Amino acid sequence: NAGVMQNPRHLVRRRGQEARLRCSPMKGHSHVYWYRQLPEEGLKFMVYLQKENIIDESGMPKERFSAEFPKEGPSILRIQQVVRGDSAAYFCASSPSLTGTYSYNEQFFGPGTRLTVL
Amino acid sequence: DQQVKQNSPSLSVQEGRISILNCDYTNSMFDYFLWYKKYPAEGPTFLISISSIKDKNEDGRFTVFLNKSAKHLSLHIVPSQPGDSAVYFCAASGDTSGTYKYIFGTGTRLKVLA
Repeated sequence: NAGVMQNPRHLVRRRGQEARLRCSPMKGHSHVYWYRQLPEEGLKFMVYLQKENIIDESGMPKERFSAEFPKEGPSILRIQQVVRGDSAAYFCASSPSLTGTYSYNEQFFGPGTRLTVL
Repeated sequence: DQQVKQNSPSLSVQEGRISILNCDYTNSMFDYFLWYKKYPAEGPTFLISISSIKDKNEDGRFTVFLNKSAKHLSLHIVPSQPGDSAVYFCAASGDTSGTYKYIFGTGTRLKVLA
């Protein structure tokens, strides 16, 4: 049973280019979460998606960032016109159903994509 | 506004001894807490969790204690092993903005000395 897959593992972009980060959840998981980790900080929630639906994008910057989880294929986090401040590790997590107190389902994390903006 | 705080950025412990990692939170609405372990260049791995209706949860060498009145939780690892050397993150969820939204601390780097 493969874990959460993310690719690429490392991505280098120049300022102004686009970055596309992919996440394939664990088999049987229909909930996907994206987090960002800046250097020396904890992971920060960005967005929560289910198939073909964005449930909560409150942690995502209003401009340049978008996320999708299509019916078929991986979840994509897209960053347009990248700036140096976007350099970070981006982690995707998945769960079989909603996580939290009453479901006791943990989020399983992928290995992350380290984005470097030159 | 850091709602989940891990005030010790690093901790060194001798192999075989107890490791105690601490975490404080400010939001009294949090009702579910987790600990994750992270090795370099890997994603966080779930270790153990606790609901606010409990004050202790144990899984093998790992025990999490929750003190709701102090808004404090701790992770005990006994006995500590060199393979436990990693960064440990505590996380909380359950406030009104969404139980799925994990709020992470900044992590504590544990080094277990052989």
